[in-house]
Amino acid sequence: AQSVTQLDSQVPVFEEAPVELRCNYSSSVSVYLFWYVQYPNQGLQLLLKYLSGSTLVESINGFEAEFNKSQTSFHLRKPSVHISDTAEYFCAVSHTSQGGSEKLVFGKGTKLTVNP
Amino acid sequence: KAGVTQTPRYLIKTRGQQVTLSCSPISGHRSVSWYQQTPGQGLQFLFEYFSETQRNKGNFPGRFSGRQFSNSRSEMNVSTLELGDSALYLCASSLVPGTLNFGPGTRLTVT
Repeated sequence: AQSVTQLDSQVPVFEEAPVELRCNYSSSVSVYLFWYVQYPNQGLQLLLKYLSGSTLVESINGFEAEFNKSQTSFHLRKPSVHISDTAEYFCAVSHTSQGGSEKLVFGKGTKLTVNP
Repeated sequence: KAGVTQTPRYLIKTRGQQVTLSCSPISGHRSVSWYQQTPGQGLQFLFEYFSETQRNKGNFPGRFSGRQFSNSRSEMNVSTLELGDSALYLCASSLVPGTLNFGPGTRLTVT
């Protein structure tokens, strides 16, 4: 069975500071990895995903995540955060061999609060 | 394109009743998934439908069921409601693997 651990439930930072949201997964098979974001009073949105190829993936708003197979991690980073990045971030994993099934296993989420 | 829509947005039910939630996916998306979100358990996969067939199911009791229609619209049903079923129920549709497009959710409160 797969599982996802987000090591920090809450991360407060000041504006323009760097941030890292940690995610570790457990799986006996190859996986796809995702970060989803839920802004206050909004629905979940895909932030970025790793399916194959380069282990470093980037989003359009400056976040990046690196797939580390040996550490079974997929940490999310941003060098300089903005107030508007305040949201809850969810790491998720799925099997590569699910026959196309969209079953995702999510972590419990990390609430990022960016303070002025 | 219109996003995923869910109806109703809010629902209050009493223990023992049953409830049906509806989801309309993005036009052209044939996969529809359902998730339950609670403060304690987080996001948990309920089931997924593709072309009217259930493709995968999570670890929920048989009181939770769903179906998908030929136009890809989906419904989920919860019978004999319990207090612990109070949650935000999220529907998502997808075209590309892993790229789930979530709806705003239905907030179910069981009293």
